[in-house]
Amino acid sequence: SAVISQKPSRDICQRGTSLTIQCQVDSQVTMMFWYRQQPGQSLTLIATANQGSEATYESGFVIDKFPISRPNLTFSTLTVSNMSPEDSSIYLCSVGGAEKLFFGSGTQLSVL
Amino acid sequence: ILNVEQSPQSLHVQEGDSTNFTCSFPSSNFYALHWYRWETAKSPEALFVMTLNGDEKKKGRISATLNTKEGYSYLYIKGSQPEDSATYLCAFEDDYKLSFGAGTTVTVRA
Repeated sequence: SAVISQKPSRDICQRGTSLTIQCQVDSQVTMMFWYRQQPGQSLTLIATANQGSEATYESGFVIDKFPISRPNLTFSTLTVSNMSPEDSSIYLCSVGGAEKLFFGSGTQLSVL
Repeated sequence: ILNVEQSPQSLHVQEGDSTNFTCSFPSSNFYALHWYRWETAKSPEALFVMTLNGDEKKKGRISATLNTKEGYSYLYIKGSQPEDSATYLCAFEDDYKLSFGAGTTVTVRA
């Protein structure tokens, strides 16, 4: 199992600004995943973050909008850049494999 | 992006009553179907992984069945309790990735 600390738990931001979300894992992991759930929508994979290489983004997500850092095997950040109200979502980081994922407790983001 | 649908979107259940809800997924190239429970202000947690047609899994009062030929899974809650209030997500595993449904939010009224 893995314990993931994610912060902030929630934030209210003005459009045009950026927010960085942090995730700290209690053990070393090769891959970390970032998900988003917009209101009423499915939990959707944004990108996979590997230590020492650029993140791999899913279709519809780009690095300029969601830059990711992965400086070591226990930590990652996701930045939501130049925010608009459409970015209001819950953002989750996770670790594990497809057989079982462990999640952080999420960041509830509201963009005004 | 795989189409994983859950219904209903939400439901209210009286304490002690039983309930069930559905996850529909592509029936071709099936590998595994996952169920997660997501309580408010907590992390989603894994409930079941189901891989075989006809699979039935049980954890306490919660159970799930799987029909891979027709592409659906049911999750059942027997004798609902307030602590069962959560959003239940199903996810279709494909190419080592999970495609999630939008979830069924269950509210158990005391």
